[in-house]
Amino acid sequence: AQSVTQLGSHVSVSEGALVLLRCNYSSSVPPYLFWYVQYPNQGLQLLLKYTTGATLVKGINGFEAEFKKSETSFHLTKPSAHMSDAAEYFCAVRSGGYQKVTFGTGTKLQVIP
Amino acid sequence: GAGVSQSPRYKVAKRGQDVALRCDPISGHVSLFWYQQALGQGPEFLTYFQNEAQLDKSGLPSDRFFAERPEGSVSTLKIQRTQQEDSAVYLCASSPTSGSSTGELFFGEGSRLTVL
Repeated sequence: AQSVTQLGSHVSVSEGALVLLRCNYSSSVPPYLFWYVQYPNQGLQLLLKYTTGATLVKGINGFEAEFKKSETSFHLTKPSAHMSDAAEYFCAVRSGGYQKVTFGTGTKLQVIP
Repeated sequence: GAGVSQSPRYKVAKRGQDVALRCDPISGHVSLFWYQQALGQGPEFLTYFQNEAQLDKSGLPSDRFFAERPEGSVSTLKIQRTQQEDSAVYLCASSPTSGSSTGELFFGEGSRLTVL
């Protein structure tokens, strides 16, 4: 079985401040991990993914995430928030060899000017 | 088109009506997924196709839900005798590969179903 827990359904940061969105996963086999972003009335688009190899992965728009096996975490960070980062962010997991991707409940990011 | 296309974007149905939602995946994509996203929730898996074969339908909530992909490209999600709890955004996603690939999904914009 695989599952994802996102802590905090809403996060507010000031423009220019650090963004930290938390994600913990459960998987019985080595996982593939993803962060997706969803803007209002749009579909989800991939921010970044971890498959194998380097545990710090960089994505689009300055986001990055670090896979920590010991903590079963895959937190998303960005050093300096921009107004355009306001959106909903979903962490997702796929167990290797299994097609289904399981999503967390999402974290809505608000950026305050 | 360049991306995953879904239609209709918005559908209002009276309780008890049947609805059909269409998904046109990225050309050549082998895998196709349907997800249901209720208001304020994350996407919930419904079903998965590899080409025309429906390999996993474990997420379909009842036998009122039916999906098909007869020629391995366009897919239709059909909901019979709609109920208010079916109100949600239905997302379609496709992926270029299958098997042990990393599984990145490409999503459409979704079909928002409102059942009155």
